Amino acid sequence: AQSVSQHNHHVILSEAASLELGCNYSYGGTVNLFWYVQYPGQHLQLLLKYFSGDPLVKGIKGFEAEFIKSKFSFNLRKPSVQWSDTAEYFCAVSRYGNNRLAFGKGNQVVVIP
Amino acid sequence: EAEVAQSPRYKITEKSQAVAFWCDPISGHATLYWYRQILGQGPELLVQFQDESVVDDSQLPKDRFSAERLKGVDSTLKIQPAELGDSAMYLCASSSPRGGLSMNTEAFFGQGTRLTVV
Repeated sequence: AQSVSQHNHHVILSEAASLELGCNYSYGGTVNLFWYVQYPGQHLQLLLKYFSGDPLVKGIKGFEAEFIKSKFSFNLRKPSVQWSDTAEYFCAVSRYGNNRLAFGKGNQVVVIP
Repeated sequence: EAEVAQSPRYKITEKSQAVAFWCDPISGHATLYWYRQILGQGPELLVQFQDESVVDDSQLPKDRFSAERLKGVDSTLKIQPAELGDSAMYLCASSSPRGGLSMNTEAFFGQGTRLTVV
Protein backbone atom coordinates (compact mmCIF):
# COMPACT_ATOMS: atom_id res chain seq x y z
CA ALA A 1 0.00 0.00 0.00
CA GLN A 2 1.21 3.48 -0.73
CA SER A 3 2.17 5.75 2.14
CA VAL A 4 2.65 9.48 2.33
CA SER A 5 5.13 11.17 4.66
CA GLN A 6 4.96 14.74 5.85
CA HIS A 7 7.57 16.02 8.25
CA ASN A 8 7.61 18.88 10.75
CA HIS A 9 4.03 18.47 11.83
CA HIS A 10 3.95 21.87 13.53
CA VAL A 11 5.35 24.91 11.75
CA ILE A 12 5.31 28.41 13.23
CA LEU A 13 6.49 31.36 11.19
CA SER A 14 6.05 35.09 10.85
CA GLU A 15 4.20 36.90 8.11
CA ALA A 16 6.27 37.45 4.96
CA ALA A 17 8.44 34.43 5.73
CA SER A 18 8.78 31.71 3.12
CA LEU A 19 7.10 28.36 3.64
CA GLU A 20 8.14 24.96 2.37
CA LEU A 21 6.38 21.75 3.37
CA GLY A 22 7.84 18.42 2.39
CA CYS A 23 5.91 15.45 1.04
CA ASN A 24 7.28 12.05 0.09
CA TYR A 25 5.35 9.03 -1.10
CA SER A 26 6.22 5.38 -1.40
CA TYR A 27 4.33 4.15 -4.47
CA GLY A 28 6.54 3.37 -7.45
CA GLY A 29 3.99 3.60 -10.25
CA THR A 30 2.39 6.59 -11.90
CA VAL A 31 0.69 8.81 -9.36
CA ASN A 32 -1.58 11.79 -9.05
CA LEU A 33 -0.49 14.27 -6.39
CA PHE A 34 -2.47 16.79 -4.37
CA TRP A 35 -2.16 19.32 -1.62
CA TYR A 36 -5.29 20.02 0.38
CA VAL A 37 -5.74 22.76 2.97
CA GLN A 38 -8.07 22.88 5.93
CA TYR A 39 -8.63 26.33 7.41
CA PRO A 40 -9.92 26.46 10.99
CA GLY A 41 -13.53 25.30 11.08
CA GLN A 42 -13.71 24.64 7.37
CA HIS A 43 -13.66 21.60 5.12
CA LEU A 44 -10.73 20.25 3.15
CA GLN A 45 -10.12 22.32 0.04
CA LEU A 46 -7.87 21.61 -2.90
CA LEU A 47 -4.80 23.87 -3.11
CA LEU A 48 -3.25 22.33 -6.19
CA LYS A 49 -2.92 19.08 -8.07
CA TYR A 50 -0.55 17.29 -10.42
CA PHE A 51 -1.64 14.70 -12.96
CA SER A 52 0.92 15.07 -15.73
CA GLY A 53 2.93 17.66 -17.66
CA ASP A 54 4.93 20.49 -16.13
CA PRO A 55 6.20 19.25 -12.76
CA LEU A 56 5.98 22.76 -11.32
CA VAL A 57 2.36 23.30 -10.43
CA LYS A 58 0.81 26.59 -9.41
CA GLY A 59 -2.24 26.59 -7.17
CA ILE A 60 -4.48 29.07 -5.46
CA LYS A 61 -3.38 31.81 -3.06
CA GLY A 62 0.19 31.93 -4.34
CA PHE A 63 1.08 28.34 -3.52
CA GLU A 64 3.12 26.14 -5.81
CA ALA A 65 4.48 22.60 -5.66
CA GLU A 66 7.17 20.74 -7.54
CA PHE A 67 6.97 17.08 -8.46
CA ILE A 68 10.40 15.43 -8.44
CA LYS A 69 9.84 11.90 -9.67
CA SER A 70 13.34 10.67 -8.80
CA LYS A 71 12.85 11.72 -5.19
CA PHE A 72 9.21 10.63 -4.92
CA SER A 73 8.51 14.11 -3.62
CA PHE A 74 5.89 16.82 -4.08
CA ASN A 75 6.93 19.72 -1.87
CA LEU A 76 4.69 22.71 -1.33
CA ARG A 77 6.05 26.27 -1.29
CA LYS A 78 4.89 29.82 -0.81
CA PRO A 79 7.42 32.67 -0.99
CA SER A 80 5.67 34.98 1.47
CA VAL A 81 3.00 33.78 3.86
CA GLN A 82 0.14 35.76 5.34
CA TRP A 83 -1.68 35.40 8.62
CA SER A 84 -4.62 33.95 6.65
CA ASP A 85 -2.44 30.99 5.62
CA THR A 86 -2.78 29.60 9.13
CA ALA A 87 -4.24 26.16 8.47
CA GLU A 88 -3.50 22.47 8.29
CA TYR A 89 -1.97 21.27 5.03
CA PHE A 90 -2.29 17.72 3.76
CA CYS A 91 -0.40 16.03 0.99
CA ALA A 92 -2.31 13.25 -0.77
CA VAL A 93 -1.49 10.70 -3.44
CA SER A 94 -3.59 8.49 -5.65
CA ARG A 95 -2.62 5.94 -8.23
CA TYR A 96 -3.08 6.98 -11.83
CA GLY A 97 -6.57 5.94 -12.96
CA ASN A 98 -7.85 5.54 -9.40
CA ASN A 99 -9.00 8.54 -7.38
CA ARG A 100 -8.62 6.83 -4.00
CA LEU A 101 -6.48 9.15 -1.86
CA ALA A 102 -3.79 8.28 0.67
CA PHE A 103 -3.07 11.23 2.93
CA GLY A 104 -0.08 12.27 4.96
CA LYS A 105 -0.48 13.20 8.61
CA GLY A 106 -0.61 16.90 7.80
CA ASN A 107 1.33 20.02 8.71
CA GLN A 108 -0.20 22.44 11.19
CA VAL A 109 1.02 25.86 10.06
CA VAL A 110 0.63 28.92 12.27
CA VAL A 111 1.52 32.33 10.84
CA ILE A 112 2.17 35.01 13.42
CA PRO A 113 1.16 38.54 12.36
CA GLU B 1 -20.81 26.37 -6.07
CA ALA B 2 -21.76 22.71 -5.69
CA GLU B 3 -20.84 21.15 -2.37
CA VAL B 4 -20.81 17.80 -0.66
CA ALA B 5 -23.43 17.92 2.08
CA GLN B 6 -23.06 15.98 5.32
CA SER B 7 -25.22 15.71 8.39
CA PRO B 8 -25.16 15.98 11.28
CA ARG B 9 -22.16 18.29 11.81
CA TYR B 10 -21.69 17.05 15.35
CA LYS B 11 -22.82 13.89 17.11
CA ILE B 12 -22.32 12.77 20.69
CA THR B 13 -23.31 9.23 21.49
CA GLU B 14 -22.79 6.77 24.28
CA LYS B 15 -20.67 3.71 23.68
CA SER B 16 -22.62 0.67 22.52
CA GLN B 17 -25.24 2.87 20.86
CA ALA B 18 -25.87 3.01 17.14
CA VAL B 19 -25.02 6.11 15.11
CA ALA B 20 -25.50 7.05 11.47
CA PHE B 21 -24.08 9.72 9.21
CA TRP B 22 -25.49 10.93 5.93
CA CYS B 23 -23.76 12.28 2.83
CA ASP B 24 -25.11 13.84 -0.35
CA PRO B 25 -22.33 14.13 -2.97
CA ILE B 26 -22.02 16.73 -5.67
CA SER B 27 -24.72 16.11 -8.25
CA GLY B 28 -23.54 13.84 -11.03
CA HIS B 29 -20.51 12.47 -9.21
CA ALA B 30 -20.24 8.72 -9.61
CA THR B 31 -17.63 8.06 -6.95
CA LEU B 32 -18.26 8.56 -3.26
CA TYR B 33 -15.81 8.04 -0.42
CA TRP B 34 -16.05 7.87 3.35
CA TYR B 35 -12.90 8.80 5.25
CA ARG B 36 -12.15 8.85 8.96
CA GLN B 37 -9.83 11.47 10.39
CA ILE B 38 -8.51 10.96 13.89
CA LEU B 39 -7.26 14.10 15.61
CA GLY B 40 -3.70 14.89 14.58
CA GLN B 41 -3.70 12.56 11.59
CA GLY B 42 -4.66 12.64 7.95
CA PRO B 43 -7.91 11.18 6.64
CA GLU B 44 -7.98 7.41 6.07
CA LEU B 45 -10.27 5.77 3.56
CA LEU B 46 -13.02 3.60 4.99
CA VAL B 47 -15.05 2.81 1.88
CA GLN B 48 -15.31 3.80 -1.77
CA PHE B 49 -18.42 3.52 -3.93
CA GLN B 50 -18.69 3.63 -7.69
CA ASP B 51 -22.35 4.42 -8.26
CA GLU B 52 -24.16 2.00 -5.93
CA SER B 53 -21.38 -0.60 -5.79
CA VAL B 54 -18.65 -0.89 -3.18
CA VAL B 55 -15.24 -0.68 -4.86
CA ASP B 56 -13.06 -0.82 -1.76
CA ASP B 57 -14.06 -1.48 1.83
CA SER B 58 -10.85 -3.19 2.90
CA GLN B 59 -10.30 -0.69 5.75
CA LEU B 60 -13.88 -0.72 6.99
CA PRO B 61 -14.28 -2.53 10.35
CA LYS B 62 -17.13 -4.65 9.10
CA ASP B 63 -18.05 -6.09 12.48
CA ARG B 64 -19.47 -2.72 13.49
CA PHE B 65 -19.41 -0.41 10.46
CA SER B 66 -21.66 -0.56 7.43
CA ALA B 67 -22.13 1.73 4.46
CA GLU B 68 -24.66 1.89 1.70
CA ARG B 69 -25.45 3.93 -1.37
CA LEU B 70 -28.62 2.25 -2.52
CA LYS B 71 -29.56 4.46 -5.46
CA GLY B 72 -26.06 5.54 -6.33
CA VAL B 73 -26.62 9.06 -5.05
CA ASP B 74 -26.57 9.76 -1.31
CA SER B 75 -24.95 7.48 1.22
CA THR B 76 -25.21 6.45 4.84
CA LEU B 77 -22.43 5.26 7.13
CA LYS B 78 -23.50 3.42 10.27
CA ILE B 79 -21.67 2.33 13.37
CA GLN B 80 -23.25 -0.23 15.69
CA PRO B 81 -22.21 -0.49 18.43
CA ALA B 82 -20.09 2.62 18.80
CA GLU B 83 -16.85 2.36 20.78
CA LEU B 84 -14.76 5.04 22.46
CA GLY B 85 -12.07 4.66 19.78
CA ASP B 86 -14.54 5.61 17.07
CA SER B 87 -14.39 9.25 18.15
CA ALA B 88 -13.16 11.07 15.07
CA MET B 89 -14.19 13.27 12.15
CA TYR B 90 -16.02 11.34 9.43
CA LEU B 91 -15.55 12.90 6.02
CA CYS B 92 -17.46 12.26 2.85
CA ALA B 93 -16.00 13.10 -0.54
CA SER B 94 -17.08 12.70 -4.15
CA SER B 95 -15.38 12.76 -7.52
CA SER B 96 -15.57 11.57 -11.13
CA PRO B 97 -18.47 13.23 -12.92
CA ARG B 98 -20.48 10.63 -14.81
CA GLY B 99 -19.73 10.77 -18.49
CA GLY B 100 -16.40 12.47 -17.89
CA LEU B 101 -13.52 11.56 -20.14
CA SER B 102 -10.95 11.26 -17.41
CA MET B 103 -10.94 9.20 -14.27
CA ASN B 104 -8.19 11.36 -12.83
CA THR B 105 -10.02 14.08 -10.98
CA GLU B 106 -9.79 15.61 -7.56
CA ALA B 107 -12.07 14.71 -4.70
CA PHE B 108 -14.37 17.31 -3.15
CA PHE B 109 -14.91 17.05 0.58
CA GLY B 110 -17.84 17.82 2.82
CA GLN B 111 -17.65 19.59 6.18
CA GLY B 112 -17.57 16.29 8.01
CA THR B 113 -19.37 14.87 11.02
CA ARG B 114 -17.47 15.09 14.27
CA LEU B 115 -18.35 12.06 16.37
CA THR B 116 -17.69 11.91 20.09
CA VAL B 117 -18.33 8.62 21.84
CA VAL B 118 -18.67 8.90 25.60
